[in-house]
Amino acid sequence: NAGVTQTPKFRVLKTGQSMTLLCAQDMNHEYMYWYRQDPGMGLRLIHYSVGEGTTAKGEVPDGYNVSRLKKQNFLLGLESAAPSQTSVYFCASNLGAVRDDTQYFGPGTRLTVL
Amino acid sequence: AQSVTQLGSHVSVSEGALVLLRCNYSSSVPPYLFWYVQYPNQGLQLLLKYTTGATLVKGINGFEAEFKKSETSFHLTKPSAHMSDAAEYFCAVSDNQGYQKVTFGTGTKLQVIP
Repeated sequence: NAGVTQTPKFRVLKTGQSMTLLCAQDMNHEYMYWYRQDPGMGLRLIHYSVGEGTTAKGEVPDGYNVSRLKKQNFLLGLESAAPSQTSVYFCASNLGAVRDDTQYFGPGTRLTVL
Repeated sequence: AQSVTQLGSHVSVSEGALVLLRCNYSSSVPPYLFWYVQYPNQGLQLLLKYTTGATLVKGINGFEAEFKKSETSFHLTKPSAHMSDAAEYFCAVSDNQGYQKVTFGTGTKLQVIP
C-alpha cells in the first residue's frame, strides 16, 4: 500500500495563477481532509469530504475549492493564488467520523506564491 | 468547543536525557487525545492516542503519555532521548461533528543534542 500520496511535492506560483493539488489514497477510506500548516499555527482544516461526491468547508476555506469525484482522490484547487496561500499543504484520510480514528497523512506539498 | 495548548515551541534535550513535551487541553466532552510526530519533510504520523480506559498510554518508539483529567493534561514523555527523536510533535484532541474534527496544537520542535 502506498497510503496517502500527494502531487506535486513543490510548486512556485505567481500571484493570480491557478493550480490543483492532487491527493490519492489506496486504503478505501471514506473521509478525506485538506490541511494547511503554517509556522506557529499548527494544522488548520481547509476542506473535508465524508465520501465520494461530497465536500464541506473547514476552518479556513476561503480562496480554495475542492472536488471528490472518485473515492480515492481529493483535489484542492487555488483559482487565483495569493501570497497568503504560501504554506505546506497536507492531505489526510481516515475510515470514519469516530473520534478515536487515526488520520493518515500524505508527505505534503510545499507551495510558494510570489 | 475544544482546544489544545502546547507549552514550548522548541525543546532541547541531550541524547540519553528525559524527554517531556507538555500538552494541555480543553474539551466540552470527555476528550480523545492524540500525539502525532512529524519528521523533517514528512507528513504527520500517529505516535499514540488516549480514548478511554488506562490513563497511561504507550506508543511507538518508546514514547508514552499520561492522561490527567484533574490537570487537563496529556504530556508526552520518553525516558531516554535518541538522535532519531528529533522532530516536531503535535498534540491534538478530536470530536465527532459528522466528521472527525481534530484540533491540533501549534507543535513543539524537539532538538536532541549529541
